[in-house]
Amino acid sequence: QVQLVQSGAEVKKPGASVKVSCKASGYTFTSYDINWVRQATGQGLEWMGWMNPNSGNTGYAQKFQGRVTMTRNTSISTAYMELSSLRSEDTAVYYCARHDNMDVWGKGTTVTVSS
Amino acid sequence: QSVLTQPPSVSAAPGQKVTISCSGSSSNIGNNYVSWYQQLPGTAPKLLIYENNKRPSGIPDRFSGSKSGTSATLGITGLQTGDEADYYCGTWDSSLSVVFGGGTKLTVL
Repeated sequence: QVQLVQSGAEVKKPGASVKVSCKASGYTFTSYDINWVRQATGQGLEWMGWMNPNSGNTGYAQKFQGRVTMTRNTSISTAYMELSSLRSEDTAVYYCARHDNMDVWGKGTTVTVSS
Repeated sequence: QSVLTQPPSVSAAPGQKVTISCSGSSSNIGNNYVSWYQQLPGTAPKLLIYENNKRPSGIPDRFSGSKSGTSATLGITGLQTGDEADYYCGTWDSSLSVVFGGGTKLTVL
């Protein structure tokens, strides 16, 4: 079945970077964009950006420009989201989701930023 | 503050119908398709409605979507206790970003 499997929880110190992975299975990885969305505890959904796994083209939310990088490794059908210069406000669950419609979601990766 | 405006909460009795509104502008809802997502407690969001009113396979026809101008509405009929969740609307914006509503918590009394 179609699924996105994300990497495990991370704990980082302020100023560090985190790289979250999202492994696709059950479909052709390069056929659908991957979006990244985050959600702080008790808060709503916040879109971070998208990546086309075929071309590698990306589009980032203005809020994260300069701090986020989305990449992929097509040989292992995996997308990555790296966020740098972490601060406490970046503590959240990070989700990857397939396609413009976000029809398939990963289970989420908890990133905790704490000194 | 979210770009799209949703009521923070709605409630209704089991078996009843509820609607959730999502208000935007010509920069987003007015010129783009709207999607709706259901987020059960402690789980990832799930696509309920896409392209304003289409349901993915496996989503019961108790869930419906509509759009008029710069607003969209999610309707749920025959409410069940299992429908208790947060519901989010989302769409693309002219800033080439995806925008979401702040979410609506549905309580089935």
